[in-house]
Amino acid sequence: EVHLVESGGGLVQPGGSLRLSCAASGFTFSGYVMNWVRQAPGKGLEWLSGIDVAGNTYNADPVKGRFTISRDNAKNTLYLQMNSLRAEDTGVYYCAKSFSSSTRYFDYWGQGTLVTVSS
Amino acid sequence: DIQMTQSPSSLSASVGDRVTITCRASQGISNFLAWYQQKPGKVPNLLIYAASTLQSGVPSRFSGSGSGTDFTLTISSLQPEDVATYYCQKYDRAPRTFGQGTKVEIK
Repeated sequence: EVHLVESGGGLVQPGGSLRLSCAASGFTFSGYVMNWVRQAPGKGLEWLSGIDVAGNTYNADPVKGRFTISRDNAKNTLYLQMNSLRAEDTGVYYCAKSFSSSTRYFDYWGQGTLVTVSS
Repeated sequence: DIQMTQSPSSLSASVGDRVTITCRASQGISNFLAWYQQKPGKVPNLLIYAASTLQSGVPSRFSGSGSGTDFTLTISSLQPEDVATYYCQKYDRAPRTFGQGTKVEIK
């Protein structure tokens, strides 16, 4: 059974940094595209970043230059390094697995980790 | 970038009603369109992919249609457990943008 467990969220001051992790199990992690999606309080879903099996990364405009997605296939773990955090980055951050490299809808989601950016 | 626009933003319908939600892409995306359901306080759940293919385990009262720029999610007979926000998403290429969501409530 596929499991995705995010961690690393918390309270951080504006301008600060945080690294989120997503521990994956139940599938061959190295063979799948992985993603980060966030949801601001009371708002909709926002795709942030994706990383394919070759390590190529893709980022949404609001986080380009500030957030970096990466993966450690040996540890079956996805990461999101978040720098220069702003109040508008507050929200629940989900990792999500893509169905396959060629078909990238999200078939499994983690439970999410809450990030709060506030002084 | 391609924008995804859903309508309506919210709706209220009676149990047993037929409910239709529309998603429009600002450019053609073939059938690279997924629908997700997010119940209050829960994680999003995949309902439909490839515009019209029902994910395993999803009740048959849900259906999807469309191609190119215009897509529809239909609930043939609304049930109390369908109270949720529904999102469309394009997944042809990055950015894998979501629509703004449609909140469905029971009248």
